[in-house]
Amino acid sequence: VRLEQSGAEVRKPGESLKISCKGSGYSFNMYWIAWVRQLPGKGLEWMGIIYPDDSDTRYSPSFRGQVTLSADKSINTVYLQWSSLKASDTAIYYCARRLGGYDYDFGDWGPGTLVTVSS
Amino acid sequence: QLVVTQSPSASASLGASVRLTCTLSSGHDYYTIAWHQQQPGKGPRYLMKLNGDGSHYRGDGIPDRFSGSSSGAERYLTISSLQSEDEADYYCQTWDTAIVVFGGGTKLTVL
Repeated sequence: VRLEQSGAEVRKPGESLKISCKGSGYSFNMYWIAWVRQLPGKGLEWMGIIYPDDSDTRYSPSFRGQVTLSADKSINTVYLQWSSLKASDTAIYYCARRLGGYDYDFGDWGPGTLVTVSS
Repeated sequence: QLVVTQSPSASASLGASVRLTCTLSSGHDYYTIAWHQQQPGKGPRYLMKLNGDGSHYRGDGIPDRFSGSSSGAERYLTISSLQSEDEADYYCQTWDTAIVVFGGGTKLTVL
């Protein structure tokens, strides 16, 4: 199993951004993929989760309306996007694969994408 | 409201054992959790899933020095024969229907 994330990004406040997470080594469509934020020097925060097969999506209340999750199952990729970035969005963003079954434990993690928002 | 609480820091000597604690909020003491390790400058790594009855399932390649146990609302991660590379942040994670929660993490220092 491998989750490959897009490279570091630098943007200005108000700009848009879409970062990606590509899965390989397993049946990509059949496993939920989550996004997790880590602010500088802080802990992990769950943002939302998407099922690539039908793009069913659930958002954390803290992030609903702030970001959009999407998926393109034809290329085994999920996305996290912002329409208008703020300086407070500066963080590392990880994608993580939910293991099968009834539980939501994240058994595989991507390496992270550093997003820097600065004027 | 589903919340998990962790002590901010812990320390133990090289070669010793240490037990980290994750406490579930009231009314959630039967919930399953997961433990993740984040070494300095790296992304998180899944260690195990830990059920309320103490049964646990380690991730691929996780050595049996890492074990889990439960008592009431508390979930424990015990690391034995501490090595320098065990110095890391440890996060517990739990979930309910369509909601996922992380604890604040425990920074483990290996002396």
